[in-house]
Amino acid sequence: AQSVTQLGSHVSVSEGALVLLRCNYSSSVPPYLFWYVQYPNQGLQLLLKYTTGATLVKGINGFEAEFKKSETSFHLTKPSAHMSDAAEYFCAVSEHGGSQGNLIFGKGTKLSVKP
Amino acid sequence: EPEVTQTPSHQVTQMGQEVILRCVPISNHLYFYWYRQILGQKVEFLVSFYNNEISEKSEIFDDQFSVERPDGSNFTLKIRSTKLEDSAMYFCASRTDRAGNTIYFGEGSWLTVV
Repeated sequence: AQSVTQLGSHVSVSEGALVLLRCNYSSSVPPYLFWYVQYPNQGLQLLLKYTTGATLVKGINGFEAEFKKSETSFHLTKPSAHMSDAAEYFCAVSEHGGSQGNLIFGKGTKLSVKP
Repeated sequence: EPEVTQTPSHQVTQMGQEVILRCVPISNHLYFYWYRQILGQKVEFLVSFYNNEISEKSEIFDDQFSVERPDGSNFTLKIRSTKLEDSAMYFCASRTDRAGNTIYFGEGSWLTVV
C-alpha cells in the first residue's frame, strides 16, 4: 500500500528565507508524486508533479521539488518565501501506470510566513 | 482555463437528511473523483468513476454514499442519511485518461451536519 508522510504539520519562516517542506513516500511501484497547495477557503491547486524523467521539477510560484528514489523523498523548496506563500501544502502519491491514478495525500503542512 | 465547478459551496443539513453535492468536471476528462477533508485532517479519497461506473472506492464510501453521472456534464455525490461525522469539505476532481495526468480539483463543498 502506498503512503505519504509529511514531517512537520506547521512550518514558519521569515519572508525572504528558504522554504523547505518535507515529504517521504512509500510505494511498491515507481510513484507519481505531486504537491498541491490549499489557500484559505479555497480548493487544491497543483504546484508541481513528478512522473518520469528529470528528477528536479519546477512548478508555479517559484517552487521546485526533487525526487530522490534512494531516500524515498520529494521535498518541496522555494529559495525565498513571500507572504503570499502562506497556505497549506499537501504532498500526494499515485500509482505509476495505474489506470485509476487515485491520489493518496499526506496530512499537510501549514506554512506561515513572518514579515 | 477550464476548471471543475462544484455546488453548493456550503450546505447545512440536519442529521438523517439526504444531501446531493454537484460537480461539473472539465469537459474532456474521463475520470472523476470525490475526496473529502474533515476539518484539520488530511484529504481522503472516497471514490473514482470511469466509463459510467465506480472504478474504485475507499472504506469510507459505504452504503450511505452513491455517485451518479446523470447526464454528459454533471457528476453527483449523494449521502443518503447524513451523520454528524459526515461534516467535511467534499472535493470533486477530474482528469484525462492517462495515469499521472494532473487531477484537477474543484473549490469544494462544505457540508455541515447538525
